Order: sequence, then structure tokens, then C-alpha cells
Amino acid sequence: QVQLVQSGSELKKPGASVKVSCKASGYIFTSYAINWVRQAPGQGLEWMGWINTNTGNPTYVQGFTGRFVFSLDSSVSTAYLQISSLKAEDTAVYYCAREDWSDPWGQGTLVTVSS
Amino acid sequence: EIVLTQSPGTLSLSPGERATLSCRASQSVSSSYLAWYQQKPGQAPRLLIYGASSRATGIPDRFSGSGSGTDFTLTISRLEPEDFAVYYCQQSGSFGQGTKVEI
Repeated sequence: QVQLVQSGSELKKPGASVKVSCKASGYIFTSYAINWVRQAPGQGLEWMGWINTNTGNPTYVQGFTGRFVFSLDSSVSTAYLQISSLKAEDTAVYYCAREDWSDPWGQGTLVTVSS
Repeated sequence: EIVLTQSPGTLSLSPGERATLSCRASQSVSSSYLAWYQQKPGQAPRLLIYGASSRATGIPDRFSGSGSGTDFTLTISRLEPEDFAVYYCQQSGSFGQGTKVEI
């Protein structure tokens, strides 16, 4: 069965970096791009962009350029989201989802930025 | 950039009642890429409807989607206790702000 399993919660200080992983199984990894979605505490869903799992080419939605980097390691069917120069407002749950947005999404990774 | 506006923000209903949720786009959009999701606290969103009106796998038939152009609707014909949640519409990636369906 299709699964997207994300890495565990992270607690980081402002200015640090974090790398969230999303490991896919149950399907051919390169058949579907991977989307990333942010959800701040008590807020709605924000689409951050996606990465083409064939070419590794990322596409970032406005507001998620500069400090946000999508990457892949296709040898282990894993997509990554790296956020640098973390700010308090980056505190959120980050989800990965397949290109077709079908279930299941990743379970979410809580990133907390606090001094 | 297309903006999706959902209404109402909160819908207060009782089990067994009908829920009607609206999603309005700032300009005409393709129905092919209009989806609805349900999210419960502490859980990832769950795809309910895609292509504006097609139910995703395993979704009960009390959930239905309709609409075209700029106006789309999610209808829950008879609310079950497990349906109280937040619902989001989505167009080509971008999400509306959500509607909370509460008891």
C-alpha cells in the first residue's frame, strides 16, 4: 500500500536550519511529484510547492522562495524539505503529499522554532 | 493568482442535518482541478472530492460536490458525528481558508 512517512518533530532555535524527510513506499517514486504543505498552529493549509521526482526540478509558490529548498534522494525514494535561517513564524506542521493529492499524505512533521 | 474564498467560516449544525459549504474562486477555474478535503484535529487532510464532483476512494455517498466556473459546493447530506471537522477546497494546489463544521 502507498505510504508517505515523514521524519519526527524538531525543536530548533531561531537562525538554525532543519531538514524534513518524506519517505515514499508502495509505488514507483518517480511516477509522481511530491508536494509540500505548511500548516501553522490553528491556521489553514498553505501549498509551498512541489518537486519533480524525475528531474529533481523544484517549483516554489510565492512566499516560499529563498529559505526553502526541496530535494530528493531517489535511491531511497525520499523527498526532503530544508528550511534555513529559521524564524518563529516557521513554527508549523509540514506535510508531504503525492502529485495527485491522493491519500495518504505524510503524517506531518511539527517544526517548532523557539529560543 | 487565483484566490479561493470559503463560506461560512463556521457552520453550527446537529447530527442528521444537511451541511452546505461554499467555495468561490476569484476567477473562473477548471473543474478538473477543484478538490475538497476534510481535516480532523491532529490528522493530515483527507481527500474527499476531486474534479469538483468525483468522490475519492472510500468516501461515503453522503458527501457530494458540485459547481463550475467560480462557484463550487460541498454538500454533506446527513451529518454523522465523525463529519464534524474542518473542510478545505483546493484549486491546482492553492487552498481556501477552510470551513469548520461544528456541533
